[in-house]
Amino acid sequence: QVQLVQSGTEVKKPGASVKVSCKASGYTFSSYGISWVRQAPGQGPEWMGWISGYNGKTKYAQKFQGRVTMTMSTSTSTFYMELRSLRSDDTAVYYCARDWDVWGSLFFEYWGQGTLVTVSS
Amino acid sequence: DIQMTQSPSSLSASVGDRVTITCRASRGIDNDVAWYQQKPGKLPNLLIYAGSTLQSGVPSRFSGSGSGTDFTLTIGSLQPEDVATYFCQAYLSAPPTFGQGTKVEV
Repeated sequence: QVQLVQSGTEVKKPGASVKVSCKASGYTFSSYGISWVRQAPGQGPEWMGWISGYNGKTKYAQKFQGRVTMTMSTSTSTFYMELRSLRSDDTAVYYCARDWDVWGSLFFEYWGQGTLVTVSS
Repeated sequence: DIQMTQSPSSLSASVGDRVTITCRASRGIDNDVAWYQQKPGKLPNLLIYAGSTLQSGVPSRFSGSGSGTDFTLTIGSLQPEDVATYFCQAYLSAPPTFGQGTKVEV
């Protein structure tokens, strides 16, 4: 069965960086892309960007351009999302989510369990 | 970016009621809309995609309709376990965007 297992809770100070991991299993890693979606308390989800499991090509939401980097390790079937220059309004639960299909349809059946990132001085 | 305007932001209904939630897209998106249910402290759960296709395992009391700019999620007969927040999502092109959610109480 498809599983996306994320790293644990993070507490960071403003200006710091955070790197969240997402280990994939139960499907052919290279056939699907992964999106990173965050959800601030009481808010709707917000798409941050996407990385291809095939070649590591990335696509970032304009809001996060220059502040986010998405990478992957094919040897460990793990995706990573690094967000820099953290601010208090980056406090949210961060999810990885797998593309619906191999053609990159950006809606999501499979989600990681979420990683709470709290930014506070 | 496509904006998804969802309404109402919250509603309260009785068990057995028919409940309707709407989303309006800022421009035409064919039928590239998904709907999710999210219970407190849980992951979003995909209910419907392609505007009206029911995801496997989702009860048939859930249905979706619409095309272009106006979309609807209907719960045909509200059940106590349907207490949750519901989100629409447009996925015609990147960035996919979500509505702000409708909190449903019973």
